[in-house]
Amino acid sequence: NAGVTQTPKFQVLKTGQSMTLQCAQDMNHEYMSWYRQDPGMGLRLIHYSVGAGITDQGEVPNGYNVSRSTTEDFPLRLLSAAPSQTSVYFCASSYSIGSYEQYFGPGTRLTVT
Amino acid sequence: AQSVTQLDSQVPVFEEAPVELRCNYSSSVSVYLFWYVQYPNQGLQLLLKYLSGSTLVKGINGFEAEFNKSQTSFHLRKPSVHISDTAEYFCAVNSGYSTLTFGKGTMLLVSP
Repeated sequence: NAGVTQTPKFQVLKTGQSMTLQCAQDMNHEYMSWYRQDPGMGLRLIHYSVGAGITDQGEVPNGYNVSRSTTEDFPLRLLSAAPSQTSVYFCASSYSIGSYEQYFGPGTRLTVT
Repeated sequence: AQSVTQLDSQVPVFEEAPVELRCNYSSSVSVYLFWYVQYPNQGLQLLLKYLSGSTLVKGINGFEAEFNKSQTSFHLRKPSVHISDTAEYFCAVNSGYSTLTFGKGTMLLVSP
């Protein structure tokens, strides 16, 4: 199993550009989520999904969009990038409700200039 | 709502010394607690977890943690650290729908 994979590893965007961060898992996990990590802030939840076709907002959802058309994939879209979205983004998955152990991807480091 | 407080942002320690990284939580639901480690420029790796049962939990790399319900704490300990333990450590608590609420992290700095 590859586990949780994320692409790209690094990305530089200009303010106002849009892009999609890709996340895929091959463990047949129902639950997937996106976190952002900022220095001194820990990880904060952006959006999560409890299964294909079902998504919901986390703590910091503004400026981000998600969809989940398959169990395997959970892309995160930045609609109009802002410097405040400069961060490291982690995708995670877990098996089911009640199984809170998160399996993390390697992260995407995003810089918005 | 759930919250996690990691009381130290940095903990410097000498190699082979013991270390304790402190974590306090607040939760209104049944508690599941986790410690993750992040080595420089890498993702997060699970060190250990408390779901139920024994309050003393052993994890990888010689780390252990004790769940204390009365003090709402889940402190991480290692009796003798190595240079390779230098990393950032995150405490987390379950926050619904298989998501976690994380603390702000503690940087463990091990020097010779």
